Amino acid sequence: QVQLQESGPGLVKTSQTLSLTCTVSGGSISSHNTYWSWIRQPPGKGLEWIGYIYYSGSTYYNPSLKSRVTISVDTSKNQFSLKLSSVTAADTAVYYCARDWPPGIWGQGTMVTVSS
Amino acid sequence: SYELTQPPSVSVSPGQTARITCSGDAMPKQYAYWYQQKPGQAPVVVIYKDSGRPSGIPERFSGSSSGTTVTLTISGVQAEDEADYYCQSADSSGIYQVFGGGTKLTVL
Repeated sequence: QVQLQESGPGLVKTSQTLSLTCTVSGGSISSHNTYWSWIRQPPGKGLEWIGYIYYSGSTYYNPSLKSRVTISVDTSKNQFSLKLSSVTAADTAVYYCARDWPPGIWGQGTMVTVSS
Repeated sequence: SYELTQPPSVSVSPGQTARITCSGDAMPKQYAYWYQQKPGQAPVVVIYKDSGRPSGIPERFSGSSSGTTVTLTISGVQAEDEADYYCQSADSSGIYQVFGGGTKLTVL
């Protein structure tokens, strides 16, 4: 079955760019009619949709993050990635990658701390 | 920006019925989904498209919709149902996804 695994630095400095990768196993990232999503959850707080990329390559981002977010796919590696620029402490969160919308398959999540 | 409103907490005794509401202006136009999240775990969909129940989700979980409010009902609550519950839907365009603030269900 399809499994997702997030990877990337657990600590990012303020004002720098947060970069995470989600590796897809057990299935193809090029699957038709599939959304590949990023969601985050600050410690002790609720879920926030960051955005997703459709199998066609179209991207959709949370308007509140749109100016700082890029989601892309690397079909050769069966991965998709998240870049969030100009981070602040408010971007500290567990970051989840997920398949489809609503997400039926989630990664385990990875904690990213933003600190100077 | 579009918002979904949930009560922060709901408490019920085992065997009772828990109802968690979620309100949003675009609810009449967009489907709602409900997620259950237990500590340290990723969320799991318990209701999809307002009232659908995924396979493997107990029958005591049900969903309904009326106007701008959707409701998650858990009948005969069990201790294992203690968790955070989030509603999720889209804005009127259907493109931008939003989560409610979450409701902590406590089983007394």
